[in-house]
Formats: sequence, structure tokens, C-alpha cells
Amino acid sequence: DAMVIQNPRYQVTQFGKPVTLSCSQTLNHNVMYWYQQKSSQAPKLLFHYYDKDFNNEADTPDNFQSRRPNTSFCFLDIRSPGLGDAAMYLCATSSGTFTVQPQHFGDGTRLSIL
Amino acid sequence: RKEVEQDPGPFNVPEGATVAFNCTYSNSASQSFFWYRQDCRKEPKLLMSVYSSGNEDGRFTAQLNRASQYISLLIRDSKLSDSATYLCVAYTGRRALTFGSGTRLQVQP
Repeated sequence: DAMVIQNPRYQVTQFGKPVTLSCSQTLNHNVMYWYQQKSSQAPKLLFHYYDKDFNNEADTPDNFQSRRPNTSFCFLDIRSPGLGDAAMYLCATSSGTFTVQPQHFGDGTRLSIL
Repeated sequence: RKEVEQDPGPFNVPEGATVAFNCTYSNSASQSFFWYRQDCRKEPKLLMSVYSSGNEDGRFTAQLNRASQYISLLIRDSKLSDSATYLCVAYTGRRALTFGSGTRLQVQP
């Protein structure tokens, strides 16, 4: 019954080696989000898509990119991961145009950097 | 100053106790508020929305005080299964939510 699915659950990559995390949804929500969460910290919004409209947060490093090829899928690309990028990456979706709706989160991908 | 601030805790309470968390927000334009629950190494899950008039869902009661810019969560008759981190969340526009760093609750037998 998973509605927001993230793959993989755990990802290990080498310092500087590009990595892609994926998210898919069966909810047909028009908004998709990527958050970064480090231990004991709040989830930090990296960017979100409203349909195809991409919204980048001002403090999101250029090292982080995203793609949304269709409504169901969204990808997070980290071009040159550093040790500080080790974290849980959460994908979320929501619906609604003029009012905010609660977000539905995937299980997350835990990224480790060697 | 953080946009959404919470006492990190932990709050250690016995089963059956009543516990309350507060959360303050800095942006007076914040429109909507939520409480999320996050278990260790899991994703956040919506616990409840917070309405201006206050709202209750079983053992959980949420309140909003716009004048003082804080929201609260009250848990009555705590269960062991309530042990988690509770995230306060504010919506300030652009379809994005701002999360607090959470308050950890540990309910003890």
C-alpha cells in the first residue's frame, strides 16, 4: 500500500562520486518535495516541484539537483557528494493549489559517504 | 533565530501521564500548522493539523495562539507507543513547510 516510495532505502557512495536517489508516488499529487534530515535536526527543504515548476530553496547547494520527468517520479542528484552530505533524504508529496495540504513522506533514503 | 523553535527534550513521563509541548514560530504570516510524529530512523507522519479554534483527536489536543505565535500539543493518558519525536510544522507560503527540530518524548512503564 506504499504511496510514496523511495529507492534505495540505504545508499553508500564514495566521496565525490555522483549519486541519484529516486522517489515515486501513486497519489497523483501535484507537489513533490525533497528534504535533507541530519541526526536530531529538522528536515530541511532542498527544493520542490509544483507540477513541472521547480522551486529551489535559496540555501540549497548547487551540488544538489532534481528532475521530475512526470507526475509520478522525482529524482535527487548529488553531483559530487561530500562527507557533510551524509544524511537521511526524504521525499514527500502533497496536493492542493491554494491551500496547503499535509505532506505524505516516503520511508527515506539513508545516504552514507565513504 | 529559527523560524520554528521547539524544546528538544527529552520529556520523560510515566505511562498515563499528561504531557504538553509548546512550539513558537517567528513568521507572523504563517498560515497553517501541523504536528508530525517521527519515530527513530523513520519518516515523519502527520499526527494532526492545528486549527485556530483548537482541535482534539482522541487523546491529542492541539491549540494555536496567534497573538503569542505559539502552538501546543497535549497528550493525555500517555502510552508507551507515544514515545517518539514530535515535530512542529508551520506553513508560510510557497507550498512549503518549515519544520521544527522536534521534541523527544519517552514514555516509561
